[in-house]
Amino acid sequence: AQSVTQLGSHVSVSEGALVLLRCNYSSSVPPYLFWYVQYPNQGLQLLLKYTSAATLVKGINGFEAEFKKSETSFHLTKPSAHMSDAAEYFCAVKGGSTLGRLYFGRGTQLTVWP
Amino acid sequence: GAVVSQHPSRVICKSGTSVKIECRSLDFQATTMFWYRQFPKQSLMLMATSNEGSKATYEQGVEKDKFLINHASLTLSTLTVTSAHPEDSSFYICSARPRSTEAFFGQGTRLTVV
Repeated sequence: AQSVTQLGSHVSVSEGALVLLRCNYSSSVPPYLFWYVQYPNQGLQLLLKYTSAATLVKGINGFEAEFKKSETSFHLTKPSAHMSDAAEYFCAVKGGSTLGRLYFGRGTQLTVWP
Repeated sequence: GAVVSQHPSRVICKSGTSVKIECRSLDFQATTMFWYRQFPKQSLMLMATSNEGSKATYEQGVEKDKFLINHASLTLSTLTVTSAHPEDSSFYICSARPRSTEAFFGQGTRLTVV
């Protein structure tokens, strides 16, 4: 079975500070992992995805995530936060069936202070 | 990237009426579509998965007769909330998946039942 745990429902950082959003996964098959961002009253936008190629994945808007099998983690980072990064972030793991449903974490609300 | 259009973005309806939400893949054929429900400050809950031309597969606890899903073509799926009640008020998001790639999300629909 697949599942995702996001540690910390809220993260606050100052503008220019490092952003670290934590995600741990559980998967019975080699995982496909995703990070999505959601702005208020909008759908989800894909930030980046891990599909068993490089363990360090670079995404849009300066975000990146590192897949660590030994830690079953896929934490999202950004070296320098921007005000526009304030949003809800979801980590997800793809199910093992051919339908490819996603299992989402509970989300982390990122607040960026000026 | 691939575009999924969800319509309407917001809808207010009276209790007891039915509301239809459309999800269209604009530039690709979606073999599978997913419907999610999102409660305030919570993650996405998968409601059902549908493949074109076949009946939708509903998640446990989701009422088939209340949330009617039709996936009549490779570019269109609809979710109809029948006899809506205030507790059905929520944010509904669809996603569409081409064969063998990740899913793309619509912008979401904010349903308010008064």
